[in-house]
Amino acid sequence: DTGVSQDPRHKITKRGQNVTFRCDPISEHNRLYWYRQTLGQGPEFLTYFQNEAQLEKSRLLSDRFSAERPKGSFSTLEIQRTEQGDSAMYLCASSPAPGKSGNNEKLFFGSGTQLSVL
Amino acid sequence: SQQGEEDPQALSIQEGENATMNCSYKTSINNLQWYRQNSGRGLVHLILIRSNEREKHSGRLRVTLDTSKKSSSLLITASRAADTASYFCATERTSGTYKYIFGTGTRLKVLA
Repeated sequence: DTGVSQDPRHKITKRGQNVTFRCDPISEHNRLYWYRQTLGQGPEFLTYFQNEAQLEKSRLLSDRFSAERPKGSFSTLEIQRTEQGDSAMYLCASSPAPGKSGNNEKLFFGSGTQLSVL
Repeated sequence: SQQGEEDPQALSIQEGENATMNCSYKTSINNLQWYRQNSGRGLVHLILIRSNEREKHSGRLRVTLDTSKKSSSLLITASRAADTASYFCATERTSGTYKYIFGTGTRLKVLA
């Protein structure tokens, strides 16, 4: 499978615990996005990487959230001291570099990680 | 909210009918895209329309864009039960950001 891969698919945790999610983008894509989606809503932007550089972060991304993309390939999203309000689907998407054939504006999404904070 | 808005929020139609959903956004854009999401899954890209285009077709999909009204519509013709899903528009702003802003979505149910 050469699509965007996210792990785990589901995560149940207790309030106050730390969680980490992983995203493996499509291999030739240098852009990587994290979004958060709650039930009945559209995805909300969290952060964006171009290669290993984190170029934009949403104000939604409090200091309990940190994202990395150390070698410009896979990315991790960590949430520290989880709260019940963090319960959501966390979606990762990737897209090709600008100037690549035709599809560089199109986002390819993974299936997401569903987080439940008890 | 950073999100655009879509209407209707929910739409239920019979198989074979056409489905129209609308998206409004707030800023100048480079392009607008439509995505589909089946329950509990990631989003799948359907079609992209650039700011200098007014209409675009892809199979049973027809998208229009009115930049003066900051709105777009997605028409699905001859709908099928398999079209049942949520549909979202996403806009890329002209400057100052790399993010795509998604709408609140239209939940489409096609009854067989």
